[in-house]
Amino acid sequence: QLVQSGAEVKKPGAAVKVSCEVSGYKFTDYFMHWVRQSPGKGPEWMGLIDPEEGETIFAEKFQGRVTLIADTSADTVHMELNSLAGEDTAMYYCALGGATLMDGFDIWGQGTMVTVSS
Amino acid sequence: QSALTQPASVSGSPGQSITISCTGTSSDVGGHDSVSWYQQYPDSAPQVIVYDVYKRPSGVSNRFSGSKSGNTASLTISGLLPDDECHYYCCSYTSTSTWVFGGGTKLTVL
Repeated sequence: QLVQSGAEVKKPGAAVKVSCEVSGYKFTDYFMHWVRQSPGKGPEWMGLIDPEEGETIFAEKFQGRVTLIADTSADTVHMELNSLAGEDTAMYYCALGGATLMDGFDIWGQGTMVTVSS
Repeated sequence: QSALTQPASVSGSPGQSITISCTGTSSDVGGHDSVSWYQQYPDSAPQVIVYDVYKRPSGVSNRFSGSKSGNTASLTISGLLPDDECHYYCCSYTSTSTWVFGGGTKLTVL
């Protein structure tokens, strides 16, 4: 099970941090992906983290603007997105991957709505 | 990485079969067998219905089937039901170890 933190409202230029707490499996066994979905649009893959090694891979679009951190003491992955703009208004999801990079993601968190507005 | 190409909409009558295509390149769909299909209802998270091109998670109806030829993956839904009406998205692993989604297809059951 993946449980995400609550909705956020941020001003342009600010940063937002979304958390995803996992339960029911060994935290370090599987990759964790992050996907966002803007209102009325399709999902967009942002990146992933290997919770055991802390290594990350990001979509080119988000390179340098998003940070993923795995807190193994709390079985939680944190996603931070900075320099927010209106286009970042979206539902943000964590999604559980597999043991390899090529495994898809089949369990999703409930989503965290991030609204960017002045 | 450009989004995979899906038709914006498809439609069919109850009981009929429809196929949704998902076209990419040799760097994603054509180069890997890690293609998934997701079903999404309004105000809900996407749910996987096909993974690794043709495999179905337990509990998913065998009315849903996946296939791939070259750079194009396909999702076929047979015996259409009114409840199948929602959005469908494909997703593929890429040669840069990233993932890319399709733009989505709205299925209407007439």
